Amino acid sequence: DSGVTQTPKHLITATGQRVTLRCSPRSGDLSVYWYQQSLDQGLQFLIQYYNGEERAKGNILERFSAQQFPDLHSELNLSSLELGDSALYFCASMQGATGNTIYFGEGSWLTVV
Amino acid sequence: AQSVTQLDSHVSVSEGTPVLLRCNYSSSYSPSLFWYVQHPNKGLQLLLKYTSAATLVKGINGFEAEFKKSETSFHLTKPSAHMSDAAEYFCVVSLSYNTDKLIFGTGTRLQVFP
Repeated sequence: DSGVTQTPKHLITATGQRVTLRCSPRSGDLSVYWYQQSLDQGLQFLIQYYNGEERAKGNILERFSAQQFPDLHSELNLSSLELGDSALYFCASMQGATGNTIYFGEGSWLTVV
Repeated sequence: AQSVTQLDSHVSVSEGTPVLLRCNYSSSYSPSLFWYVQHPNKGLQLLLKYTSAATLVKGINGFEAEFKKSETSFHLTKPSAHMSDAAEYFCVVSLSYNTDKLIFGTGTRLQVFP
């Protein structure tokens, strides 16, 4: 158990809908990352937050947004969902802003039908 | 730009035989390199990491990897495979001074036969 908690574990929703994925980082970790794992794209970095502020951005679509709250948990919002958004979404956390080991949660499976 | 290439998409071994999962990297800087494992329906677990200390890195569950700068390789090995090693393995690179962004390889699926 990495200490990173993600909810929900599984989610099925229809095209055009909006969902929110939630992540609680390990105790004391200030950085939160979101990754997407899909069959065609592999594992891709989406976005990183550090202590409430956006720190780095990867291949995140404009339909997606994220935030990190004062209690350091993070949410990834996915809107206007398309079939191609079906994927496993990982949250990860790290102690500092850089230079430490990144620990991953077990992921949230999103299926768009 | 940083990248990793995992040379085999699938590797099959018999239980008790050695495991070799190959990874080559490309980096403009002195890289940090990692191996992560993903068991079915599980998250990503860190096996080991190299961050410019000893070139031979020992990880969990008997795995180790050797950083070879001249060959730009970071192959993962284990002397004797166990059935529980069956999983997907990812070679990962990041910048040495900024590990904010991990670049994942495409993964190698390890099958272990009895």
